[in-house]
Amino acid sequence: GIQVEQSPPDLILQEGANSTLRCNFSDSVNNLQWFHQNPWGQLINLFYIPSGTKQNGRLSATTVATERYSLLYISSSQTTDSGVYFCAVSTPTLQGAQKLVFGQGTRLTINP
Amino acid sequence: GAVVSQHPSRVICKSGTSVKIECRSLDFQATTMFWYRQFPKQSLMLMATSNEGSKATYEQGVEKDKFLINHASLTLSTLTVTSAHPEDSSFYICSARAGGGSYEQYFGPGTRLTVT
Repeated sequence: GIQVEQSPPDLILQEGANSTLRCNFSDSVNNLQWFHQNPWGQLINLFYIPSGTKQNGRLSATTVATERYSLLYISSSQTTDSGVYFCAVSTPTLQGAQKLVFGQGTRLTINP
Repeated sequence: GAVVSQHPSRVICKSGTSVKIECRSLDFQATTMFWYRQFPKQSLMLMATSNEGSKATYEQGVEKDKFLINHASLTLSTLTVTSAHPEDSSFYICSARAGGGSYEQYFGPGTRLTVT
């Protein structure tokens, strides 16, 4: 099956810093999503980005499908950005179920 | 839009009992729902895919007789953990896909199950 690798596994920054999170995947995808898991466990949809570039406030994401990677950029980090960031992808299955495969996540800690 | 709810958010039960978790899509019809399990400090692992009106498809290693899934309508899927044991204690999360041209999934807030 498809493999998803996220880097770095842990990232500690000071408030105000910028960060780049990376997601590599091993096969063609038709879905790529970035999530932020908050301390209560809720997965918050950040981007649905199987290809191209999107921006939402201080966050932006780029997926280069031909090179099989995606990047999540966080600018001017705030303490509320702390948490685990997951990348998840899906590739067509025989049944067309579009199952999401998650990376292991990047744990981001923003210190005041 | 695209809100998914789960109930209960937290449940404690005794070994040998069964627990039912509900997953609802509140503002869209979900042709496909998914159930995931997450252990502390780990990633999400897909347990099963649920399609409305048909049997669920379970991932390898997931016991279908232990984790019963029913997707009776386009807005509701249920996961029943039967004869629960302490090793079933985990965080269970559902997601839903609206279908059509988008593959985007929306996740519920999760249910923390503790089996004593």
